[in-house]
Amino acid sequence: QKEVEQDPGPLSVPEGAIVSLNCTYSNSAFQYFMWYRQYSRKGPELLMYTYSSGNKEDGRFTAQVDKSSKYISLFIRDSQPSDSATYLCAMNEAGGTSYGKLTFGQGTILTVHP
Amino acid sequence: ETGVTQTPRHLVMGMTNKKSLKCEQHLGHNAMYWYKQSAKKPLELMFVYNFKEQTENNSVPSRFSPECPNSSHLFLHLHTLQPEDSALYLCASSQGGGWETQYFGPGTRLLVL
Repeated sequence: QKEVEQDPGPLSVPEGAIVSLNCTYSNSAFQYFMWYRQYSRKGPELLMYTYSSGNKEDGRFTAQVDKSSKYISLFIRDSQPSDSATYLCAMNEAGGTSYGKLTFGQGTILTVHP
Repeated sequence: ETGVTQTPRHLVMGMTNKKSLKCEQHLGHNAMYWYKQSAKKPLELMFVYNFKEQTENNSVPSRFSPECPNSSHLFLHLHTLQPEDSALYLCASSQGGGWETQYFGPGTRLLVL
């Protein structure tokens, strides 16, 4: 079983749609949860991060973490063509021997068409 | 130059060649990372350097040899690679070696023939 599972898609939605991206994980020690966005021919850039369970909102983006279900989500409201990219979830334990070691999902390819 | 830069952006090499990838960060960070990104696979952490000391080697074959002369520069020396090593190699940096935000470079697209 992979430590982090992410549906690779591809996901294609019309402009203005609400997009839901999800990851599940198996390591209960993960405490920090991140979403990265990667445009074609670029490196990943951090979009949002959360610590432990709960919600975090930033503009059109909302990140949710449900540690009891080992499930994280990223919601994009009013999606735009400029949101077309690959979205990667990543997570990390707090301290210990995995210091600095992010575990990534496979990435979901999202296309928002006008 | 700002952020994290990587050179070259594209590289084609034969299995007997020796080449090096270069990464430079202009963010004043103390930790640097090498990742491998293959199609349809998650990013794989290869090496971590914290204050120039290697703190992680994720069971990477010896044909990949990292070098970190200072906190701003990171190299990945390549020799006798295999076709399955073809991938996007990403460099990242962070303030420390903990969970802090990692800033990625644009990557080097490597093709091994």
